[in-house]
Amino acid sequence: LAKTTQPISMDSYEGQEVNITCSHNNIATNDYITWYQQFPSQGPRFIIQGYKTKVTNEVASLFIPADRKSSTLSLPRVSLSDTAVYYCLVGGDMRFGAGTRLTVKP
Amino acid sequence: EAQVTQNPRYLITVTGKKLTVTCSQNMNHEYMSWYRQDPGLGLRQIYYSMNVEVTDKGDVPEGYKVSRKEKRNFPLILESPSPNQTSLYFCASSFSPFPGFGLAATDTQYFGPGTRLTVL
Repeated sequence: LAKTTQPISMDSYEGQEVNITCSHNNIATNDYITWYQQFPSQGPRFIIQGYKTKVTNEVASLFIPADRKSSTLSLPRVSLSDTAVYYCLVGGDMRFGAGTRLTVKP
Repeated sequence: EAQVTQNPRYLITVTGKKLTVTCSQNMNHEYMSWYRQDPGLGLRQIYYSMNVEVTDKGDVPEGYKVSRKEKRNFPLILESPSPNQTSLYFCASSFSPFPGFGLAATDTQYFGPGTRLTVL
């Protein structure tokens, strides 16, 4: 199972773009990269998933370099409501760890 | 609407009084699991179930029981709750036990809204 490493916390301001990078050096060939978002006192929810290059949806973009040893979740123009914990998971490993606590300030 | 529901959402009880937290999903998922979340410890898996009548221990199973008599339901049972089981509990479901891997590469987990349990 691929272990992931991501920053414990990040601060940003409203309107800025936020990039959260996750390292997963031991990613396997068949592994997808999945990001979840968790608001306080709510369950995590899926936000984006990808295998390589770039994936974009209405919430975020996910950038994955060719070697796939890392991935970057990009949140465009964050608002206060994006304050949450963001988890990077790889393949079938459901160990959520501590995630990255993003705080968006006014 | 596809969802995972849990009941109750909040519960305060006393040591030793048996309780059950229900979990139900309407997506015909094979795989269901229970997590607890404590400050600084992230989400830890308690039990999981691959299918009806198939359950197995996760990382922190002590003090908990589960059952999977129907595909949609996966109750969590605390036979004799203790204060160290005070926590926020989440039920989750997915088609595969390994969403994001192999044939289940594009599968993801769906989480319930959580149950905040306090054991006095």
